[in-house]
Amino acid sequence: DIQMTQSPSSLSASVGDRVTITCRASQTISRYLNWYQQKPGKAPKLLISEASSLESGVPSRFSGSGSGTDFTLTISSLQPEDFATYYCQQSYSSSRWTFGPGTKVDIK
Amino acid sequence: DVQLLESGGGLVQPGGSLRLSCAASGFTFTNFAMSWLRQAPGRGLEWVSAIINSGGNTYYADSVKGRFTVSRDNSRNTLYLQMNRLRAEDTAIYYCAKEVFGAFSWGQGTLVTVSS
Repeated sequence: DIQMTQSPSSLSASVGDRVTITCRASQTISRYLNWYQQKPGKAPKLLISEASSLESGVPSRFSGSGSGTDFTLTISSLQPEDFATYYCQQSYSSSRWTFGPGTKVDIK
Repeated sequence: DVQLLESGGGLVQPGGSLRLSCAASGFTFTNFAMSWLRQAPGRGLEWVSAIINSGGNTYYADSVKGRFTVSRDNSRNTLYLQMNRLRAEDTAIYYCAKEVFGAFSWGQGTLVTVSS
């Protein structure tokens, strides 16, 4: 199975900060990479699909980039509602989907 | 809006069985593949099983193959997960999800606890 890693595992940031999370795949996955946001006690929510396609209703401060094995999720100006855990997921290997371990973003 | 409502979770002894259900609404259920995913307490996300829109093909993670069975009733817009020979490591919140090109829209989840 394709292994996904994320860095950092956690970060502390302030409202208004620019935040970047990195995701790496163990083999090339083209642009088949999705990002999710999960708040405590809630289900994950799809933010970005195919590396950079913003889902409907997701604020434009979220953006994704990358291809091959290296990807980033950027929050341009962190808002109070953005404090959460973020997961990447490869959709390259159909029916063998795997997730990164998550990056927890909390308040500095 | 996509709505997915899981039910059937609870406490079960090791070796026991449980059947989860997921009632879907807000989209044309018969047009979409569906999946089950899970999250152990304080842990990350794991894909468990998938079924194509017609129900004709099913897929499983190695960790559950031979113990879990996914099915769907398109006349009832409902997805199922039959879980047999449960183990302590199956303890998790189980989510059903609509799948589009490998990206998931999730229900709110149901907790399964395997313990004696």
